[in-house]
Amino acid sequence: DAGVIQSPRHEVTEMGQEVTLRCKPISGHNSLFWYRQTMMRGLELLIYFNNNVPIDDSGMPEDRFSAKMPNASFSTLKIQPSEPRDSAVYFCASSLVQGSGANVLTFGAGSRLTVL
Amino acid sequence: DAKTTQPNSMESNEEEPVHLPCNHSTISGTDYIHWYRQLPSQGPEYVIHGLTSNVNNRMASLAIAEDRKSSTLILHRATLRDAAVYYCILRDVSGGSYIPTFGRGTSLIVHP
Repeated sequence: DAGVIQSPRHEVTEMGQEVTLRCKPISGHNSLFWYRQTMMRGLELLIYFNNNVPIDDSGMPEDRFSAKMPNASFSTLKIQPSEPRDSAVYFCASSLVQGSGANVLTFGAGSRLTVL
Repeated sequence: DAKTTQPNSMESNEEEPVHLPCNHSTISGTDYIHWYRQLPSQGPEYVIHGLTSNVNNRMASLAIAEDRKSSTLILHRATLRDAAVYYCILRDVSGGSYIPTFGRGTSLIVHP
């Protein structure tokens, strides 16, 4: 398996522009997580999907952020409009969540976003 | 998920054993203990997990206290490539609550 695939790996954009980050989870995994990492705040959970349905989006900073999972093999995180404080590394992770299992997370390599 | 507490940083010399502690005093009976590590410029990667008994794998060992309120990740012989941030988290697998929350972790410095 190629693991969790994220794109783009690096994105530099100007304030006010729309940014779309993409994630392809591991085939067969039923849960997907979006995290944001900064030096100030560490690794923060933004949103969590189970079977393509958003379960908890309490970590999404504000209405400028939105996430979708149209099918089991693809998710997007969109920021519109982007602001300099959104600069961070965004990680996607997937997991096979089972009631009796340990639910190990597999992370992608991350998308480094710089908003000028 | 219940909260964990880890030291901010630890140092070790190469080829010496490293014991990374984690406190989780509010752990519930259905919480698994997971360890992940994050190498520089990479995403976190899974290291090991356990429920009640000590666990060993090719990367590390996990020692779990009898009351499960603390655990220790053991790297038997640290190498320079083990320099990373190590995260201890709890994963509740009952009742559908699977939200994995990461703290700041422990930054491990390995000296040659």
